[in-house]
Amino acid sequence: DTAVSQTPKYLVTQMGNDKSIKCEQNLGHDTMYWYKQDSKKFLKIMFSYNNKELIINETVPNRFSPKSPDKAHLNLHINSLELGDSAVYFCASSQDSRNTEAFFGQGTRLTVV
Amino acid sequence: GQNIDQPTEMTATEGAIVQINCTYQTSGFNGLFWYQQHAGEAPTFLSYNVLDGLEEKGRFSSFLSRSKGYSYLLLKELQMKDSASYLCAVHNYGQNFVFGPGTRLSVLP
Repeated sequence: DTAVSQTPKYLVTQMGNDKSIKCEQNLGHDTMYWYKQDSKKFLKIMFSYNNKELIINETVPNRFSPKSPDKAHLNLHINSLELGDSAVYFCASSQDSRNTEAFFGQGTRLTVV
Repeated sequence: GQNIDQPTEMTATEGAIVQINCTYQTSGFNGLFWYQQHAGEAPTFLSYNVLDGLEEKGRFSSFLSRSKGYSYLLLKELQMKDSASYLCAVHNYGQNFVFGPGTRLSVLP
């Protein structure tokens, strides 16, 4: 059983398109995250949700919109994709928003052409 | 602001011991984590320190000095499979995890 699963694993799309990445966790965790890992392998937080409520929104273009229909799901929708959006996007979850370890999904490699 | 620094790359020999350092500057410190990430895979949790001192888990140990803003990850009896990136991550009150740039470790036979 996969603890944190995200789909798709690979996504190739043209500039200007809109795409979504889905994430689900079956760990019963309260907090979920989206991270972006660029070509230099730097892992940067984008969003954090706790019990379906947004608690962190880093400096991310408003073309990126997270949606959490319930605390087990946190999807990421991206409008008007740009070349610079190419990266690996990781979903993660933790028991709560305090100092507990995060479990990561396998990542979605997004390539914008 | 927050700043986390790690060496970019390290190389060590199979069977040896390697120490990966991490220095950080942050406010509201609430713990430090180490993660391992193999190429093309997701980060996986290795260790957690919130109090000063050494935490040991098998071949891996992690040390924290809060007054110095310093941590290290110690890997003993290195194996080829330990070749990976090692990410230091600081947890802050209300801000969740901030990751360092990662250290790419190459273990040579």
